[in-house]
Amino acid sequence: KNEVEQSPQNLTAQEGEFITINCSYSVGISALHWLQQHPGGGIVSLFMLSSGKKKHGRLIATINIQEKHSSLHITASHPRDSAVYICAGVTSGSRLTFGEGTQLTVNP
Amino acid sequence: DAMVIQNPRYQVTQFGKPVTLSCSQTLNHNVMYWYQQKSSQAPKLLFHYYDKDFNNEADTPDNFQSRRPNTSFCFLDIRSPGLGDAAMYLCATSSKQGYSNQPQHFGDGTRLSIL
Repeated sequence: KNEVEQSPQNLTAQEGEFITINCSYSVGISALHWLQQHPGGGIVSLFMLSSGKKKHGRLIATINIQEKHSSLHITASHPRDSAVYICAGVTSGSRLTFGEGTQLTVNP
Repeated sequence: DAMVIQNPRYQVTQFGKPVTLSCSQTLNHNVMYWYQQKSSQAPKLLFHYYDKDFNNEADTPDNFQSRRPNTSFCFLDIRSPGLGDAAMYLCATSSKQGYSNQPQHFGDGTRLSIL
């Protein structure tokens, strides 16, 4: 069983919609990364958080340590947001345990 | 801009012919990572350097080696590439301070194809 579980696996939205991607993680994970990967491309680190909430532009990430749950929200979604979003937990020695990713498609 | 740069973006090599992928960084980060990512899969950590200290993952094949001649550069050597080694190879860095709670910064990756 993966230590990091993401949902949904696939998400299709219309431009302008509010999007939420969820991530649950197990004991032993000290912080969470939210990463973005476009097709055939490298990975961009969006956020790393171990408590509370972070916001950058239209992206918001929250984490609830007690519930071991994090969410990534995208407000006013746009087709250029289409990508794979990956939740990754930081474990011992700064290793990352990756979720399976969420393929987001935003249609115009 | 400070960044993680991987060269080349695309690499084609022949079955069994050694290949080297390179990664450089201007972030002056102490930690450098190499990941392998196969199609539709999550990245898999191959090894990482904490300064000059090399840390190999238990299931990384011996076919994969790494060198870090200085803080800025790290190389991934595949001694005898097989068809199963075709993948995207990602380099990442992080700061030593608060080792476990520093974000990793990724390069754009090198996509390796094996003929």
